[in-house]
Amino acid sequence: EIVLTQSPGTLSLSPGERATLSCRASQSVSSRSVAWYQQKPGQAPRLLIYGASSRATGIPDRFSGSGSGTDFTLTISRLEPEDFAVYYCQQYARTFGQGTKVEIK
Amino acid sequence: EVQLVESGGGLVQPGGSLSLSCAASGFTFSSYEMHWVRQAPGKGLEYVSTISHDGVNIYHANSVKGRFTVSRDNSKNTLYLQMGSLRAEDMALYYCARAYCDSTRCGNDYWGQGTLVTVSS
Repeated sequence: EIVLTQSPGTLSLSPGERATLSCRASQSVSSRSVAWYQQKPGQAPRLLIYGASSRATGIPDRFSGSGSGTDFTLTISRLEPEDFAVYYCQQYARTFGQGTKVEIK
Repeated sequence: EVQLVESGGGLVQPGGSLSLSCAASGFTFSSYEMHWVRQAPGKGLEYVSTISHDGVNIYHANSVKGRFTVSRDNSKNTLYLQMGSLRAEDMALYYCARAYCDSTRCGNDYWGQGTLVTVSS
């Protein structure tokens, strides 16, 4: 079973700063199968990025995804107040990373 | 508008059984693979089960294999999860999620709000 390891566990940043979240797979995965989700307290996860780099419908362009093989990255170019949340990477239909919390510094 | 509404959660004793449902609307249910994902209190997301659009291909996570069964009734636009031999570690919020895949990308594009399963004596 492929394990996804996200880093850092917590990211403390201010609004307007750039956030870079990492997801490393224990073995190579297809880019097609890599997705990123945002989850706020009391809410269901929301699809942000799929196919490693394609934004889902309605997702602002400050969110971008990149990577291949075992290393994938979610970047939020300039943090808005509503972006402070937990982010999960996913290998489609099999596993999630443990999450990165983006908190206000 | 796509909607997924889970039901059936509740309090059950260890070793007991429970059946969850997910009623889908706003899309052609029979065309989509569907997934169950759970989240224990204060923890991350965990895949539970997946089922193909026609119910032929099924996957269960090792943690629930032999105890949980996923199924669907396309005539009723409903997804099910039959859970047996429940353990304390099965206590979680259970989400159903629609699966989307094309040639270049896959993801869960719509999620329900979840139904809470509590396992306790």
